[in-house]
Amino acid sequence: QLVLTQSPSASASLGASVKLTCTLSSGHTNDAIAWHQQRPEKGPRYLMRLNSDGSHSKGDGIPDRFSGSSSGAERYLTISSLQSEDEADYYCQTWGTGKVFGGGTKLTVL
Amino acid sequence: EVLLVESGGGLVQTGGSLRLSCAASGFTFSSYWMSWVRQAPGKGLEWVANLKQDGIEKYYVDSVKGRFTVSRDNARNSLYLQMNGLRAEDTAVYFCAREGLIYDDSWGSYRPDAFDLWGQGTMVTVSS
Repeated sequence: QLVLTQSPSASASLGASVKLTCTLSSGHTNDAIAWHQQRPEKGPRYLMRLNSDGSHSKGDGIPDRFSGSSSGAERYLTISSLQSEDEADYYCQTWGTGKVFGGGTKLTVL
Repeated sequence: EVLLVESGGGLVQTGGSLRLSCAASGFTFSSYWMSWVRQAPGKGLEWVANLKQDGIEKYYVDSVKGRFTVSRDNARNSLYLQMNGLRAEDTAVYFCAREGLIYDDSWGSYRPDAFDLWGQGTMVTVSS
């Protein structure tokens, strides 16, 4: 069964960079994923689709500060020049007949 | 503007029913698979159900099979979720989401992809 694993929390300083990780379970290391952002009390927002080779396509209006990369079973979301508005929960997601979400990472901007 | 707007949430007793609606605008609704995703208070996202463009092929998470029914009206650009036999564990914010399209060379056609558009959600509270 496909499982996506995310660290529950991360923190970084204003203006710094942070790299969030989503790990795919065995047998799914070639799968693409999507990253979504959910600010407090808001609906999720699609950030990007990220392929196993690290290529990615971002949603409309997503700043260049957001980028994705991949290594093996790991899928990364890097946010550079952190702003206060980046403080949010970040979810990875994959798809197929059943859609699967990671548990989410709560990002705190210090 | 490309938008999904959910409605129909509220407070309902255990065993009761509720029908959620999702109104789509700004894109060709009939071209997309659509999904419902929920989020229990303080918890993560959980996919609930989805529905193909034709309104016939549909899938559910095991916990709602036999109780929830997803449907759509392409003429009204609307997605629905009929929820019967509601339980306390169904308490959540319910989001509708559009499944993006990606061209698959091996299929020679478009297939559903990542969720690329979300609504703001509607709250469902099930209480005894």
